[in-house]
Amino acid sequence: SQELEQSPQSLIVQEGKNLTINCTSSKTLYGLYWYKQKYGEGLIFLMMLQKGGEEKSHEKITAKLDEKKQQSSLHITASQPSHAGIYLCGAPPSGSARQLTFGSGTQLTVLP
Amino acid sequence: DSGVTQTPKHLITATGQRVTLRCSPRSGDLSVYWYQQSLDQGLQFLIQYYNGEERAKGNILERFSAQQFPDLHSELNLSSLELGDSALYFCASSPLRGLAGNTGELFFGEGSRLTVL
Repeated sequence: SQELEQSPQSLIVQEGKNLTINCTSSKTLYGLYWYKQKYGEGLIFLMMLQKGGEEKSHEKITAKLDEKKQQSSLHITASQPSHAGIYLCGAPPSGSARQLTFGSGTQLTVLP
Repeated sequence: DSGVTQTPKHLITATGQRVTLRCSPRSGDLSVYWYQQSLDQGLQFLIQYYNGEERAKGNILERFSAQQFPDLHSELNLSSLELGDSALYFCASSPLRGLAGNTGELFFGEGSRLTVL
């Protein structure tokens, strides 16, 4: 079965700093989804990447997909306390799968 | 607000008991997914329904069952509860049968936190 490994597991940064979170798949990626979760709350969709080399941005968050390396990176520029939370990457375990398998998450703390 | 409603938000019960978690998907969404999130297992896919029919099954225990009703709301039944069943149970909905099309995103509810004592 597919496994998604996220690194780092946790990250503490000073407000204003840039940071990167990585998600590596044990198998071929058929799309990669990034979600954000506030502790104990639901997941909020950030963006989806489908093709190798694809890059998407939403406000100060940019995600890239490297299909050959079976990995994706999420980069936050000039972090703010509002960026704090758990970032989860998810992917369909196969090309025909209807559901998402998720990584274990990266806990981000932004110090003011 | 994702538009997905889950009840109850919190539930405390004892081992051996049975509980039912309810999910109302976003208006018009035909797919409902159930996920379990625990500290040791992370976010695990349990089961998916589309327009009343089971479409995909994950690591759902035999003690657990789910169904989707004609009005599209869904219920997750957990029986013979064990301490290890304590977790946050999420429902997510989507207008699609699968993940293809548009963004293919899943809209998650706030979750039902189950504590088994």
